[in-house]
Amino acid sequence: EDQVTQSPEALRLQEGESSSLNCSYTVSGLRGLFWYRQDPGKGPEFLFTLYSAGEEKEKERLKATLTKKESFLHITAPKPEDSATYLCAVQPYNTDKLIFGTGTRLQVFP
Amino acid sequence: EPEVTQTPSHQVTQMGQEVILRCVPISNHLYFYWYRQILGQKVEFLVSFYNNEISEKSEIFDDQFSVERPDGSNFTLKIRSTKLEDSAMYFCASTSGGGIETQYFGPGTRLLVL
Repeated sequence: EDQVTQSPEALRLQEGESSSLNCSYTVSGLRGLFWYRQDPGKGPEFLFTLYSAGEEKEKERLKATLTKKESFLHITAPKPEDSATYLCAVQPYNTDKLIFGTGTRLQVFP
Repeated sequence: EPEVTQTPSHQVTQMGQEVILRCVPISNHLYFYWYRQILGQKVEFLVSFYNNEISEKSEIFDDQFSVERPDGSNFTLKIRSTKLEDSAMYFCASTSGGGIETQYFGPGTRLLVL
């Protein structure tokens, strides 16, 4: 069964304290892995798509990496405005649907 | 920047009533999706829609649910007889092409069934 597990469930960081979020997945065949940001009461906001192991993508303080079994979202020197829930989703072959993890709720304190 | 819009933002209904949730996908997009998120749980796929027909649906999307593209801009989700367990955030998403294309999500409709 295709599955996505994210850890930790919640993460509290001091402003400037770098860290990483983990997304482990099992999927019959991976078409792509997606990272989204979700603010409370809002819809998921697209961050990155990763297609193959070894790929990396960056955007401001965020960098996403992908291996054959997991993906990491690295946050460098976070700011309070980075506080949100970060969602990981996989898209298996032969389907358009996204399979989401439960997310990591990140809080960054000044 | 083009975005997916959804109305209403909040809907309260009585159990057994019909509700219609509306979405306006990004204008040049051709593939449309509905997902839902029960409070504190994962975002779950409901249905995908292309070329005026359902491409794929999940086990959640039973006979109480239906989707429609009534005109060139709207995409709707209808729940015929709401149940308490239908209370959730419902998100519409769209892409310009199928497959690996990025799905862009709307802000959601919060549905509360009493």
